[in-house]
Amino acid sequence: AQSVAQPEDQVNVAEGNPLTVKCTYSVSGNPYLFWYVQYPNRGLQFLLKYITGDNLVKGSYGFEAEFNKSQTSFHLKKPSALVSDSALYFCAVRAPPWAAGNKLTFGGGTRVLVKP
Amino acid sequence: DTGVSQDPRHKITKRGQNVTFRCDPISEHNRLYWYRQTLGQGPEFLTYFQNEAQLEKSRLLSDRFSAERPKGSFSTLEIQRTEQGDSAMYLCASSLVGDRGRVPDTQYFGPGTRLTVL
Repeated sequence: AQSVAQPEDQVNVAEGNPLTVKCTYSVSGNPYLFWYVQYPNRGLQFLLKYITGDNLVKGSYGFEAEFNKSQTSFHLKKPSALVSDSALYFCAVRAPPWAAGNKLTFGGGTRVLVKP
Repeated sequence: DTGVSQDPRHKITKRGQNVTFRCDPISEHNRLYWYRQTLGQGPEFLTYFQNEAQLEKSRLLSDRFSAERPKGSFSTLEIQRTEQGDSAMYLCASSLVGDRGRVPDTQYFGPGTRLTVL
């Protein structure tokens, strides 16, 4: 069975400082990994995904994520956080097409609070 | 707006009543997914369709839940005899799968329907 862990319930960072949101995963075979962001009373908004290739993936709004196969991690990063980045962030994993269907399995989420 | 839309956005019902939610996917997206999200948790997969065929159902989807996508476009999720434990945000997502499904699709989510069962 596939699973995702987001070890931090909340991350606090000052505006302008680097932001990192941690994610580790477990899946059979090569993983497909995703990051989504959720603002209050809204659905999930896609940020970026890793399928294959370069371990550093660039996404929307200046976010990027680094895939590390040996550590089974896919941490989300932003070099300089904005107050508007304050939201709930979800990491998700999907098994390869030949295994376990097409569903996304999400972590429990990490709340990011960026203080001015 | 060409994103995923869901209706209603909020639903309050009494225990034992039936409710139905609608999802309209992004135009031409051939896959449609339903997830449930409870407060403080990540979304949990319920079911998905490719075109009009329902291809996978989670064990979370009890026999009180039924989903349809009759013409491969919009979908409905019905909950019969609602229980307080059904209170949650119900999220719909859609995606476009090509290349015989060898390239993983990106799921785009709607705003959700928040259900409160009293």
